[in-house]
Amino acid sequence: AQTVTQSQPEMSVQEAETVTLSCTYDTSESDYYLFWYKQPPSRQMILVIRQEAYKQQNATENRFSVNFQKAAKSFSLKISDSQLGDAAMYFCAYRATIIQGAQKLVFGQGTRLTINP
Amino acid sequence: DAGVTQSPTHLIKTRGQQVTLRCSPKSGHDTVSWYQQALGQGPQFIFQYYEEEERQRGNFPDRFSGHQFPNYSSELNVNALLLGDSALYLCASSSRLRGTEDYEQYFGPGTRLTVT
Repeated sequence: AQTVTQSQPEMSVQEAETVTLSCTYDTSESDYYLFWYKQPPSRQMILVIRQEAYKQQNATENRFSVNFQKAAKSFSLKISDSQLGDAAMYFCAYRATIIQGAQKLVFGQGTRLTINP
Repeated sequence: DAGVTQSPTHLIKTRGQQVTLRCSPKSGHDTVSWYQQALGQGPQFIFQYYEEEERQRGNFPDRFSGHQFPNYSSELNVNALLLGDSALYLCASSSRLRGTEDYEQYFGPGTRLTVT
């Protein structure tokens, strides 16, 4: 079974600085998708960035980028120029293919990110 | 487009009671998945509905059941509620991107269930 592990329950960073959130996963599949989701106190799960396993290039979305190491099964999120609005729970997720056409997400335990002004 | 909507926003039930949660998918989406998120934890997959059938379910007892209607909306039913069922229940709707093996997926705001 696929598993996702986030080893940092909490992280904090000064506003405008850079922070990296860690995630490792375990799977026997060769093709899959990885995601980082943000969940603010409003509870809405918001997609931050996604990575397709067969793509070598690391995904980037504005201030958010990932370091995807397929062999090491590592998928970290880097937030540059941190802003107060980045404060939230961050979840790493793996998309497992159950059966053809069916998808489910396997989530890590989450990392609570605090931004210090 | 209202996106994925869920109702109610929150509710309180007593042990042993039954509850029904509702989800309306984003326009154009045909698949609905349900997740349970206990306090301080990541969401856990309950089951997924497509074409009005349960396509797959996670490690949840039969007390958890669901339904999908012809308009793609869905219900999650939980019978014989336990204190441990207290959680945020998230609905996610998705649809396959035309010509690809990829999917577009969006989450609703969730329903907070408290069992006393």
